[in-house]
Amino acid sequence: DTGVSQDPRHKITKRGQNVTFRCDPISEHNRLYWYRQTLGQGPEFLTYFQNEAQLEKSRLLSDRFSAERPKGSFSTLEIQRTEQGDSAMYLCASSLEDTDYEQYFGPGTRLTVT
Amino acid sequence: DAKTTQPPSMDCAEGRAANLPCNHSTISGNEYVYWYRQIHSQGPQYIIHGLKNNETNEMASLIITEDRKSSTLILPHATLRDTAVYYCIVRVGLALETSGSRLTFGEGTQLTVNP
Repeated sequence: DTGVSQDPRHKITKRGQNVTFRCDPISEHNRLYWYRQTLGQGPEFLTYFQNEAQLEKSRLLSDRFSAERPKGSFSTLEIQRTEQGDSAMYLCASSLEDTDYEQYFGPGTRLTVT
Repeated sequence: DAKTTQPPSMDCAEGRAANLPCNHSTISGNEYVYWYRQIHSQGPQYIIHGLKNNETNEMASLIITEDRKSSTLILPHATLRDTAVYYCIVRVGLALETSGSRLTFGEGTQLTVNP
């Protein structure tokens, strides 16, 4: 078990550019979550998948954000037309359905929009 | 999900017990108390959870008051590696498929363990 991995770990982009992050969950976990964390705050929920189905989206997830999990394994989070307010740590987590309170988090992708 | 209140920071001496309080006065009957921690530059890590009975595992103990309006996470012998932000979360135990699976983090308590 290698844990949840995320790529890249750091991303610096100019305002208006599109960025895509990848998350590889623990292999047997069918639930996958995305959270966003800004400095000094706890993580905020963005969205989650059960297998390939996106079951819940937060109001934080504007129409510039899209997440996919096409084969029920890895997931991608794309941000279009990035804004400086998008600068944050983007965390991915995974869990089993029956114990979804125990979410295993990856190390995160730190996004800086200049 | 019920709102939780935690002190912003606490200090503890290495080797002593760290007692982290959490208030959740609006907790519902079907909601559990979960604790996570986040070591600097890492993702959060699950510690322990409970409904109404006290719980203990290899990492910590959880004491929930009889009225369930507050709880305390106890690290019995704190080490420098326990320095982290500790989050108390209240959530339903069995989440519906389309809602409730999220974890709602507050600002947590920054625990600093001093040598």
